[in-house]
Amino acid sequence: RKEVEQDPGPFNVPEGATVAFNCTYSNSASQSFFWYRQDCRKEPKLLMSVYSSGNEDGRFTAQLNRASQYISLLIRDSKLSDSATYLCVVNGAVSGGYNKLIFGAGTRLAVHP
Amino acid sequence: DTEVTQTPKHLVMGMTNKKSLKCEQHMGHRAMYWYKQKAKKPPELMFVYSYEKLSINESVPSRFSPECPNSSLLNLHLHALQPEDSALYLCASSQGMVGYYNEQFFGPGTRLTVL
Repeated sequence: RKEVEQDPGPFNVPEGATVAFNCTYSNSASQSFFWYRQDCRKEPKLLMSVYSSGNEDGRFTAQLNRASQYISLLIRDSKLSDSATYLCVVNGAVSGGYNKLIFGAGTRLAVHP
Repeated sequence: DTEVTQTPKHLVMGMTNKKSLKCEQHMGHRAMYWYKQKAKKPPELMFVYSYEKLSINESVPSRFSPECPNSSLLNLHLHALQPEDSALYLCASSQGMVGYYNEQFFGPGTRLTVL
């Protein structure tokens, strides 16, 4: 089983749609969770850190379910500019004083007019 | 200012060349990272520096040699690379190495092609 699993997509949605991405992780000791977006041939950009109570930033809502080891990202009112790959990222076990970031393979979103 | 800069943006080199990639951050972060990313794959960690000391080397071949001259700069020296080393090389930084302090910010990357 992969340490962080995501549906690879692609998710093809019209502008204005609401879309949800799911992610599961295997290490129950994980403490920190992040969503990054990555445009084609660009660097990953931090979209949101996911806090235990869930958090919202404009059209984006992230939720965490520790019991099920599940993280979600909801995008409301999708824009063309939301088209990108969304990476679910989890802190793995501490080794050598470092919490290695474990990246999911990414979910591709394509928003069309 | 949450910017991490990298130079060059693109690099083409032969298998016998020696070149260096450079990374700079001015966020006062004490941890810096090198990642390698192949097309349609997530980034793979190569090295971690903390307080200018090499903390993690993910069994990277010796043809890649990292260097941290000071808390803002990170270099990656390349020598005798192979065509399969062609990839996007990403630098990142974070406040620290654990927990939420490990929220990492990436530079734009250097796209490397080895001929």
